[in-house]
Amino acid sequence: EAQVTQNPRYLITVTGKKLTVTCSQNMNHEYMSWYRQDPGLGLRQIYYSMNVEVTDKGDVPEGYKVSRKEKRNFPLILESPSPNQTSLYFCASNLGTGASEAFFGQGTRLTVV
Amino acid sequence: DQQVKQNSPSLSVQEGRISILNCDYTNSMFDYFLWYKKYPAEGPTFLISISSIKDKNEDGRFTVFLNKSAKHLSLHIVPSQPGDSAVYFCAASAYDRGSTLGRLYFGRGTQLTVWP
Repeated sequence: EAQVTQNPRYLITVTGKKLTVTCSQNMNHEYMSWYRQDPGLGLRQIYYSMNVEVTDKGDVPEGYKVSRKEKRNFPLILESPSPNQTSLYFCASNLGTGASEAFFGQGTRLTVV
Repeated sequence: DQQVKQNSPSLSVQEGRISILNCDYTNSMFDYFLWYKKYPAEGPTFLISISSIKDKNEDGRFTVFLNKSAKHLSLHIVPSQPGDSAVYFCAASAYDRGSTLGRLYFGRGTQLTVWP
């Protein structure tokens, strides 16, 4: 089954404690991205990757890091989380052409206290 | 700068009636458009798409209309059902945009509520 898997689904952490949210896809997609969803703001792209070792900033990259060492995995790293990073996060992947749908993970609800 | 806009945060429709969700875009380079549906506690799922070479695409109860001159698209759901209650996101992309090839630009979403 084609899918994008994120872990964990829920996470509560404290300010400043480094964390990683994992994302994996089994569709051999070139393009992967991370979004955060906040009330009234929709889906905002944090970082994206067009292929292995190729990553770039989206619209709201501050406070986040990513890496793409393998095609299937695209972890999101928060080196020093802050309360304003409390949000719902989604990983997505697509073929990377201009006419392909994106597949989304189930989401990670992050709370930073 | 929001390149894809959904100006109605919410829409309430009676079961059996038509739901019309609207979306506007500003970037004339966009040539592929998608609608996603999102239930609470789930990731967005793809619903229907349309290429800029068409002005209409239909899939069962769902039809998307594209007006390129107005940079406007709409999603029609007929008839609406309570199970359609969800947030609907409009998205756009371009076939050839160099470094941003593959990127989807999303609107802020419209919460559709279908009541019995």
